[in-house]
Amino acid sequence: EPEVTQTPSHQVTQMGQEVILRCVPISNHLYFYWYRQILGQKVEFLVSFYNNEISEKSEIFDDQFSVERPDGSNFTLKIRSTKLEDSAMYFCASTSSQGEETQYFGPGTRLLVL
Amino acid sequence: GDSVTQMEGPVTLSEEAFLTINCTYTATGYPSLFWYVQYPGEGLQLLLKATKADDKGSNKGFEATYRKETTSFHLEKGSVQVSDSAVYFCALNSPGTGNQFYFGTGTSLTVIP
Repeated sequence: EPEVTQTPSHQVTQMGQEVILRCVPISNHLYFYWYRQILGQKVEFLVSFYNNEISEKSEIFDDQFSVERPDGSNFTLKIRSTKLEDSAMYFCASTSSQGEETQYFGPGTRLLVL
Repeated sequence: GDSVTQMEGPVTLSEEAFLTINCTYTATGYPSLFWYVQYPGEGLQLLLKATKADDKGSNKGFEATYRKETTSFHLEKGSVQVSDSAVYFCALNSPGTGNQFYFGTGTSLTVIP
């Protein structure tokens, strides 16, 4: 069964450094999402992406964040200058169409900012 | 705004016990409701869903009924197994929100033999 994959599974970085989290969505999917979960808190929506553009973004998704689909398979989340409070689990998701209700999630990347 | 409130965990049960994990929601429109499960080291997997009031979603012995009058979508299973040990997330998806999901905090379930 097709699945969403994410790399790395864990990343430790120093405050102020840039990180890139990678996702490979399901191959025929067109809509892509990033969510994050700070430890003990809710899973929060960050951004949705379609047709090489951001469709929607939350208040969390400020100028330090960016997303990109650099090729036909990868979907990346870049955090430009990490802060301690960026430590969280980051989930990528994809869906085949906007009307499709079910999103398919990756296993997540656990980011720790020191 | 839209939100989901989920029963706090962790929950520990003996094998074959009855499971209920409570979930209530707030939404401006008519959302679809979901339960996702995360097994250790894996991604969020769809467990079941319901798209309109009074619908019952079911899968792998788990059930949840969309109750509009109580704005609830409680997850139940009659007899849990050790393999059900995981984190369970309640979520909603409202029309007009760009297909973004609103999740609860997750409830960790441990089933002991």
